[in-house]
Amino acid sequence: TQLLEQSPQFLSIQEGENLTVYCNSSSVFSSLQWYRQEPGEGPVLLVTVVTGGEVKKLKRLTFQFGDARKDSSLHITAAQPGDTGLYLCAGARGAGGTSYGKLTFGQGTILTVHP
Amino acid sequence: SAVISQKPSRDICQRGTSLTIQCQVDSQVTMMFWYRQQPGQSLTLIATANQGSEATYESGFVIDKFPISRPNLTFSTLTVSNMSPEDSSIYLCSVAKYVFRDRGRGSYGYTFGSGTRLTVV
Repeated sequence: TQLLEQSPQFLSIQEGENLTVYCNSSSVFSSLQWYRQEPGEGPVLLVTVVTGGEVKKLKRLTFQFGDARKDSSLHITAAQPGDTGLYLCAGARGAGGTSYGKLTFGQGTILTVHP
Repeated sequence: SAVISQKPSRDICQRGTSLTIQCQVDSQVTMMFWYRQQPGQSLTLIATANQGSEATYESGFVIDKFPISRPNLTFSTLTVSNMSPEDSSIYLCSVAKYVFRDRGRGSYGYTFGSGTRLTVV
C-alpha cells in the first residue's frame, strides 16, 4: 500500500509568517498534486508537479517535487488569513497496475493564519 | 477542467434508510471516483467507477453497502445503504481527465464535486 506522510497535521501562525508543509513517501509517483479545501467545498487543485526536481511558483506559494519523485513540499511566504484552509497532497500512479489513475492522499494539514 | 454538480449538498437521514448521491459532469470522462471524508481530515477512496466496467471497491468498502451506478460517461450515483450513525461523513465524487503538457508528456487532472455532508440520526 502506498502511503503519503504529510506534516505537520496542524499549523497555526500569525499573518506575515512563512511556512512549509511536507509530503514524503517511500514510493515513486508519476505526478504529485497539492489541493486546498475550504469547509463545505471539495478540494481545489493548486498545482501538479510531474518532473523530479521540478519547482513551481504560484504567487506566494512555491511547490517542489523531489528528485526521486517520492516527496514534495509546499512553501507559503508571508501567509495571509485568506490562506487558511485544509491543504492536501496527493500522489498519482503511472500507467500499469491496478492503482492506475488513483490518488493517494496525505493526511492533510489544517492551516490557520491569524490576523 | 471538468465541472461537477453533486447533489444533495447535505442531508439528515434516519438510520436504516438509504441515500443516493448524484454526480453530473459537464463533459465525458472515463475515470470517476467516490471518496469519504471526515471534516478536517483527508480523503479515503471508496471505489473507482469507470464507465463500461463494474465499480472496483477499496478494502473496507463493499458493493452491498455502497452500490454505484455509472450509466454513461457524464453521470454516476453512489448509494449509502442501511445507514447507521457511523456513516455520517462527507461524500465526494471526483473525475480524472488526461492533460497533455509540454514535450508530449502529461498527467491526470482531477476535479472534485463540492461534497455531500451526510448526518445519520
